[in-house]
Amino acid sequence: QQQVKQSPQSLIVQKGGISIINCAYENTAFDYFPWYQQFPGKGPALLIAIRPDVSEKKEGRFTISFNKSAKQFSLHIMDSQPGDSATYFCAASDLGGTSYGKLTFGQGTILTVHP
Amino acid sequence: DVKVTQSSRYLVKRTGEKVFLECVQDMDHENMFWYRQDPGLGLRLIYFSYDVKMKEKGDIPEGYSVSREKKERFSLILESASTNQTSMYLCASSSRREGETQYFGPGTRLLVL
Repeated sequence: QQQVKQSPQSLIVQKGGISIINCAYENTAFDYFPWYQQFPGKGPALLIAIRPDVSEKKEGRFTISFNKSAKQFSLHIMDSQPGDSATYFCAASDLGGTSYGKLTFGQGTILTVHP
Repeated sequence: DVKVTQSSRYLVKRTGEKVFLECVQDMDHENMFWYRQDPGLGLRLIYFSYDVKMKEKGDIPEGYSVSREKKERFSLILESASTNQTSMYLCASSSRREGETQYFGPGTRLLVL
């Protein structure tokens, strides 16, 4: 079974700090790595995504770092805010195949940012 | 804006009941997905569909079936609900034209007693 392993399961940071969530994958055919953000009572929503042809992608305070050789990628949230408190999921997909856009998700990280 | 709606936010059923969860998307998406979300396990794919009347098993299809008679509607069926199917169920859709982003509904929290 294709797996994506995510850590930590939960994370508490102070306002203004850096939040870091890590993911590791096994399937070398994966070629698309998104992060989804889920607030309580809502469905997940795409936050940021990266393809393996770049090692880093930044959108505002959110950055994905990607290490193809180690088969790892991580989400960094700079200057974390209480409004960032949510559950974060990493995911991976083999878009080059006939996967119909199927995503394999990690286990999720509950982020709490204290004011 | 893409909108994915699910028929119920909360549902309580008894063991052995047949349960229908409905999902509707309004963006003419080809692909639709059903996941269940459990603490510590993330989102696990139950079934997906890439076209009307087409369906593929995901990672955990046992105890579930699906139906897609119209492009905008994808139903998840629990033939005989069991307590281990108590979970949050999430529906999502995506477009072959636009790429990879999956758009999720708000979820249905199902409790099987």
